[in-house]
Amino acid sequence: GQQVQQSPASLVLQEGENAELQCNFSSTATRLQWFYQHPGGRLVSLFYNPSGTKHTGRLTSTTVTNERRSSLHISSSQTTDSGTYFCAIAPGANTGKLTFGHGTILRVHP
Amino acid sequence: NSKVIQTPRYLVKGQGQKAKMRCIPEKGHPVVFWYQQNKNNEFKFLINFQNQEVLQQIDMTEKRFSAECPSNSPCSLEIQSSEAGDSALYLCASSQGAGNTLYFGEGSRLIVV
Repeated sequence: GQQVQQSPASLVLQEGENAELQCNFSSTATRLQWFYQHPGGRLVSLFYNPSGTKHTGRLTSTTVTNERRSSLHISSSQTTDSGTYFCAIAPGANTGKLTFGHGTILRVHP
Repeated sequence: NSKVIQTPRYLVKGQGQKAKMRCIPEKGHPVVFWYQQNKNNEFKFLINFQNQEVLQQIDMTEKRFSAECPSNSPCSLEIQSSEAGDSALYLCASSQGAGNTLYFGEGSRLIVV
């Protein structure tokens, strides 16, 4: 089955530092989403980015489809960025069944 | 921001008891998903619906899990006889279509004691 590998498993930063989170996947991903999970549990969609580069605020997602990898860059990290970041893929455009990675736990210290 | 509403936020059940969770999808989203997230951050797709019809589901061979999305009522996921291994965060998501962005609710955290 599909596999999604995220790295690093955890990351500790000082406020203001940048972070680069990686996602590698084993099969074609027609759909790729990055999510942020609050410590309380809510999953928030950050990017729907099956290919190319997208920006929102301090976040940038870059997906290289033919290399089966995606990255999430956080610039000038803040303590409120702390939480778990998940990459999830689906092989087809018409299936909602996502396969998730195990996440990257980010801790940003003041 | 997602407007998917899940209730209850927490439920504690004894082994063998029923556990029922509800989800109101975002308005205008006909597709609803249920996922289970365990303590190791492993997500398991359970089932999804388009309107009231099941699109895909795992092989619930134990038949302890059932789900429905009736018209004009919240969707629901029910575990007939809870087991310790069912303790997890149950996440509901909705989307405008099977290939569109998924928006998740806050989840229902089930603890089976």
